[in-house]
Formats: sequence, C-alpha cells, structure tokens
Amino acid sequence: EVQLLESGGGLVQPGGSLRLSCAASGFTFSSYAMSWVRQAPGKGLEWVSSISNNAGNIYYADSVKGRFTISRDNSKNTLYLQMHSLRAEDTAIYYCAKRLRNLWSFDYWGQGTLVTVSS
Amino acid sequence: QSVLTQPPSASGTPGQRVTISCSGSNSNIGSNTVNWYQKLPGTAPKLLIYSNNQRPSGVPDRFSGSKSGTSGSLAISGLHSQDEADYYCTAWDDSLNGVLFGGGTKLTVL
Repeated sequence: EVQLLESGGGLVQPGGSLRLSCAASGFTFSSYAMSWVRQAPGKGLEWVSSISNNAGNIYYADSVKGRFTISRDNSKNTLYLQMHSLRAEDTAIYYCAKRLRNLWSFDYWGQGTLVTVSS
Repeated sequence: QSVLTQPPSASGTPGQRVTISCSGSNSNIGSNTVNWYQKLPGTAPKLLIYSNNQRPSGVPDRFSGSKSGTSGSLAISGLHSQDEADYYCTAWDDSLNGVLFGGGTKLTVL
C-alpha cells in the first residue's frame, strides 16, 4: 500500500525557515517523480514544486522560486521541501504527491502538514 | 488568478448529470492533457481523471472526462450526495514550465 507521510510543519515567523519531509513507502520511491502541492486556508490547490526520480529535473512555481528548494534522498525514501524567507501568504497545508508514471498527474497524496507563518 | 478557469460553483439533484468546465490556452490544455481531482474538506485530493479521460482503478464510471481544443470538462452522472466536494482541473503549462490548477468548482448536491 502506497503511503506518504508529511512532517515538519508548524508555526514560524515571517522571514523564517522550515523544512518539510515526506516519508514514502509501498512503492519504489527512486522510480517516481514527486511533487509538493499546497492549499491556503479557504483557497484552492496550488502546485509548488516537482522533482524527477533522480533529481535531474526540478521545477518551481513562480511564487516560491528562489525561496524554496525541493530535494530527495532515495536511500531514505524521503522527499524534502526547504522553505526560506517565509511569508504570510505561504501559510497553507502542504501535501506531497507521487506522480503517475511520466504523466503530470498525481495518483497518491499524503495527508498534509500545516505551515503557519505569523508573528 | 488561475490561468485555468473553472466556474466557482455547480449544483445538481441526486441522480442528475452535471458537467464542470475548465478553460485554458494553447500553452496548457491546448498542448497537454487535463486531469481532475476531487477534494473533500479535511482530506487529501483524490485523482479522478488523468490524461483527459482515463479513470484510475477504483473511480466509478459515473465520472468521465473529455477535452476539446483548449478546454476540458468533467461529467458526473447519477449524482450522489457524497459527490458534494470541490473539483479541480490541472494541466502542465509549457510557458510557465509548471503544473497549473484551476480555481476549483464547489459542487453542491441539492
């Protein structure tokens, strides 16, 4: 059974940093691209970043480019999102998601971790 | 503001058929496939349709998708009360080099 378990969320002050993790199990993690998607309170879903299976291709939404860094450790079956210079508008539930084959669709999602940026 | 445009709301009665549209442009839907997700409050999004009209295993055939030009649509037939949720379309955008989500459509089952 595919499982994705996010952790690392919490309350952080504006300008601060946070690192999210997503522990994967139930599939060959090193064979699949992974992504982060977020949902701000009362808002819609927003794609944040994606990384290919071997980290050779990385993509970011313009809203986080230069502030967030996606990475993965295939030996630990774990996906990361390092977030710097956090803003109030980064407050959201962050989901990690597994890419379906080589398609730009996400077939499995974690339960999400809440990031709150506030003073 | 999302580049993929969805109606903010839709509604139907039990048993009815409803459709939700998703309008894009040449750089996204016009040159890439459309996907649809169902989002219930407090739960993770669920993939309903991928590659315009493909259903993952376990998704009822009441859900169907289509694409024409720069628009996609999701149809739900035989509406159930448990279909009440938010629905999102997505597509890769060649210009932005990223995944676009539509603004979401809140479906109400009357």
